Amino acid sequence: EAGVVQSPRYKIIEKKQPVAFWCNPISGHNTLYWYLQNLGQGPELLIRYENEEAVDDSQLPKDRFSAERLKGVDSTLKIQPAELGDSAVYLCASSSYPRVSTGELFFGEGSRLTVL
Amino acid sequence: QQQVKQSPQSLIVQKGGISIINCAYENTAFDYFPWYQQFPGKGPALLIAIRPDVSEKKEGRFTISFNKSAKQFSLHIMDSQPGDSATYFCAASVGSNYQLIWGAGTKLIIKP
Repeated sequence: EAGVVQSPRYKIIEKKQPVAFWCNPISGHNTLYWYLQNLGQGPELLIRYENEEAVDDSQLPKDRFSAERLKGVDSTLKIQPAELGDSAVYLCASSSYPRVSTGELFFGEGSRLTVL
Repeated sequence: QQQVKQSPQSLIVQKGGISIINCAYENTAFDYFPWYQQFPGKGPALLIAIRPDVSEKKEGRFTISFNKSAKQFSLHIMDSQPGDSATYFCAASVGSNYQLIWGAGTKLIIKP
């Protein structure tokens, strides 16, 4: 079974440029998460989807970040415009259960963003 | 109160030794405590998890010890191997919540 697939793996952009990350979750996983991970730190939740509905986006900086999950499968996370402080790894995870205490989170390998 | 405090930040252990990583929490409502393992360039992967109705859970060389009264839990890696070198994250959640609260991570290096 294929795991969570993310692309691109690496992206280098100038500040103020837009960037987009794509995630394909494990087949059948209705719950999808986007996390941000800074170097040497634990993941920080940005947004959680149940099917196509964003059920928790309280920690998403909505002035520059946006996300969508059309048809409840693939998801895209966009940053526009990017700032220097956005340099980080953006992780996508999926689960077959909505509650973390009942199901394992499966993570992709992440998209490493460098903003110059 | 939502924090999970993890220590040490980094740890070096000789091959064959026991690696111990500790986590502490304040929120007594937490009822699920997973440990994730992350290799460089990879996403975290679930290693082992425990609920507070048991004091210990063992899976192969990995053991979680849970102390409910002290609000602490720890990961023990027995007979540590170079392949165990990774960053380990503890986490916690409340059953009614949908979010994991993550520790800051411990970078473990096993010396051959």
